[in-house]
Amino acid sequence: EPEVTQTPSHQVTQMGQEVILRCVPISNHLYFYWYRQILGQKVEFLVSFYNNEISEKSEIFDDQFSVERPDGSNFTLKIRSTKLEDSAMYFCASSEARVMTQGFFGPGTRLTVL
Amino acid sequence: DAKTTQPNSMESNEEEPVHLPCNHSTISGTDYIHWYRQLPSQGPEYVIHGLTSNVNNRMASLAIAEDRKSSTLILHRATLRDAAVYYCILRHNNAGNMLTFGGGTRLMVKP
Repeated sequence: EPEVTQTPSHQVTQMGQEVILRCVPISNHLYFYWYRQILGQKVEFLVSFYNNEISEKSEIFDDQFSVERPDGSNFTLKIRSTKLEDSAMYFCASSEARVMTQGFFGPGTRLTVL
Repeated sequence: DAKTTQPNSMESNEEEPVHLPCNHSTISGTDYIHWYRQLPSQGPEYVIHGLTSNVNNRMASLAIAEDRKSSTLILHRATLRDAAVYYCILRHNNAGNMLTFGGGTRLMVKP
């Protein structure tokens, strides 16, 4: 069964550093998403992306965050200057349809900011 | 978005059916009901969704009340692997792609 993959599984960084989290969505999917989950808290939507543009973003997704589809297979989330509160699990997801009736989530990247 | 209410936790015995309830009394006519689950240390996983009629798939069944103010996710035969947090989520048909996760129900399955 096709799946969303994410790398790395765990990223440790110093506060203020830039990080890039990588995702390979399911190959025929056109809609891509990032969610995050701070330890012990709810899963939160960050951003959705289609046709090389952000289609929606939440209040969390401020100027420190950016997304990109640098090639035909990867989808990345960049955090420019990490803060302690950015420590969380970051989940990439993709869906075939514009409306996320059935989203496929990756296993997540655990980001630890020291 | 309309709000959903789920019990914080439930217990089940292995190989028995499990009924996970969700209340959504402020649901609107075009809100779809989605269920996702999150196994320990994994990303959310789609389970099922529906609008008005009951739905069945290989993972579960979704029973939707006639007034749509509540729904029940039914696992026909719980296994240890079904131990997870189950999220009931409403998504407006005209809304975008954002899913708003609540606290969900933590299902514990006893052998």
